[in-house]
Amino acid sequence: QVQLQQWGAGLLKPSETLSLTCAVYGGSFSGYYWNWIRQPPGKGLEWIGEISHSGDIQYNPSLKSRVAISLDTSKNQFFLNLTSVTAADTAMYYCARDNYGHLDLWGQGTLVTVSS
Amino acid sequence: SSELTQDPAVSVALGQTVRVTCQGDSLRDYYATWYQQKPGQAPLLVVYGKNNRPSGIPDRFSGSSSGHTGSLTITGAQAEDEADYYCSYRDSRTNHWVFGGGTRLTVL
Repeated sequence: QVQLQQWGAGLLKPSETLSLTCAVYGGSFSGYYWNWIRQPPGKGLEWIGEISHSGDIQYNPSLKSRVAISLDTSKNQFFLNLTSVTAADTAMYYCARDNYGHLDLWGQGTLVTVSS
Repeated sequence: SSELTQDPAVSVALGQTVRVTCQGDSLRDYYATWYQQKPGQAPLLVVYGKNNRPSGIPDRFSGSSSGHTGSLTITGAQAEDEADYYCSYRDSRTNHWVFGGGTRLTVL
């Protein structure tokens, strides 16, 4: 059974860089788009960006200047970096698999808090 | 516009039928995908495409579309269906995902 497992630092100071990893276990990395989505406390879902197994990348225009998504196909992992974080970046961050137009697998979520 | 609009909250009596709607101009071209999110959990895909359910999703969940409105219908709502529901679509022109603001469903 395919699973996504994610991890990364949960507490950051303003201006630091958020770094998260999502690993794909039990299934193929190829043929899918791999996404990052976040959810501020008590609010809705916000798409951050995606990367294909071949490295095609798309970002939410509202975050594009600060975000970078990359992957390591040898480890079946993909990554999120978000620079210059502020309190507004405090959120639960999820990784998810896009299976031809629907997000059918989600990671467990990582709560990232930005506080001085 | 690529935005999706959902009612913030909907309630339904136990065992009754409820429709959760999602409006947006882009839904004339795309089917809405629906996710269920319970407190403290990651979203769960419940309906996608014209009216498809992943394995394990009860058949009381169904999707439909009319004009610029996508709908998620729960026929015979159960207590465990109480959750937030989000609609979304992937814009194939920009390869960007768009989410609605979410609907909190209360089962009375």
